[in-house]
Amino acid sequence: QKEVEQDPGPLSVPEGAIVSLNCTYSNSAFQYFMWYRQYSRKGPELLMYTYSSGNKEDGRFTAQVDKSSKYISLFIRDSQPSDSATYLCAMSPDSGNTPLVFGKGTRLSVIA
Amino acid sequence: GAVVSQHPSWVICKSGTSVKIECRSLDFQATTMFWYRQFPKQSLMLMATSNEGSKATYEQGVEKDKFLINHASLTLSTLTVTSAHPEDSSFYICSAKDGYGYTFGSGTRLTVV
Repeated sequence: QKEVEQDPGPLSVPEGAIVSLNCTYSNSAFQYFMWYRQYSRKGPELLMYTYSSGNKEDGRFTAQVDKSSKYISLFIRDSQPSDSATYLCAMSPDSGNTPLVFGKGTRLSVIA
Repeated sequence: GAVVSQHPSWVICKSGTSVKIECRSLDFQATTMFWYRQFPKQSLMLMATSNEGSKATYEQGVEKDKFLINHASLTLSTLTVTSAHPEDSSFYICSAKDGYGYTFGSGTRLTVV
């Protein structure tokens, strides 16, 4: 079993839809959870950063972490064509200089 | 926010030559930088962790003599692909830990012909 599992998609939704992206993980030591957005041929950019369990909202984006289920989610409301990208979940056991463990990434297309 | 500047953004080189990729943290000091490789439609694969002033730590299966990493200052880390071959063609990305999270460079697309 991989440390982090993420459905690679692709996922195609109409403009304005609510998008739900998810990752599961096996390592209970993970404490820090991130979502990155990566456009084609670009480096990943940080969207959301969450410590431990709970919800965090930023504009149209909401990140949820359920440590008891080892499950994290990213919700995108009122999705736009500009949201079309690959979304990567990433996590780390500590806040030090430990490499992130990434999911495979989910390719999202928002159709106008 | 924190910025990591990566150059070049793309490079084409002949088989057998060497290519250097630079990553600079512009507004923060990066004691540690991470180098990743990414194949089309796949996730990032960690190649090595570079620490300022010391030798890099390579992941299993990554040839340290082929992928030379130097982290000579708190703001600059370089990856040199030596004697490049077509199978080294890939997207290379660096990352550094800033105060908030991990910031990535914009990536370098290497094509070896």
